[in-house]
Amino acid sequence: AQSVTQLGSHVSVSEGALVLLRCNYSSSVPPYLFWYVQYPNQGLQLLLKYTSAATLVKGINGFEAEFKKSETSFHLTKPSAHMSDAAEYFCAVTAYTGRRALTFGSGTRLQVQP
Amino acid sequence: SQTIHQWPATLVQPVGSPLSLECTVEGTSNPNLYWYRQAAGRGLQLLFYSVGIGQISSEVPQNLSASRPQDRQFILSSKKLLLSDSGFYLCAWSVATAGGLSLSYEQYFGPGTRLTVT
Repeated sequence: AQSVTQLGSHVSVSEGALVLLRCNYSSSVPPYLFWYVQYPNQGLQLLLKYTSAATLVKGINGFEAEFKKSETSFHLTKPSAHMSDAAEYFCAVTAYTGRRALTFGSGTRLQVQP
Repeated sequence: SQTIHQWPATLVQPVGSPLSLECTVEGTSNPNLYWYRQAAGRGLQLLFYSVGIGQISSEVPQNLSASRPQDRQFILSSKKLLLSDSGFYLCAWSVATAGGLSLSYEQYFGPGTRLTVT
């Protein structure tokens, strides 16, 4: 079974500051990991994914995440926050098993202050 | 390119009334299909998933049901809505792809349906 823990339900940063959203996972088999972003009243959009290739994954909108097996982490970062980054972010995990479904974290709402 | 549609976009229904939400996918064949519910201030809860026509797996026992009458159509239904059924319902699809030695299971989400049960 897999699970995801997102530390911090709300994160607030200033425009231009570093964004760091934390995600720790639990999986009994090698995981596939994802970050999604959700703007108000919209569906989820895939930001980036880790599928056992490079451990540093670059995504859209300047975001990137690093897979650290020893820490069971997949934190999302962006060097400089923009006002348009304000949204809710979800980390998700799956494994190559028959279930084929993602397990999502509870989400982190990012606020960007001017 | 692939697109996913959901309708209606918003719905207000009284307690005890029936429900039918529809999801269709274009531009792909034999997708895996999923229904999630997102309650206010909470994460996503997987309700159903389907790997083929007529093949439905239920994740949470409740008064909802799902059907897949066609390859790219996924329907969420209820005979009698409860207040607790209110939420944002998201449909998603995925395909297991082979990229070299890797397989990925990312899901692509529709725009969602906002259901309010009164």
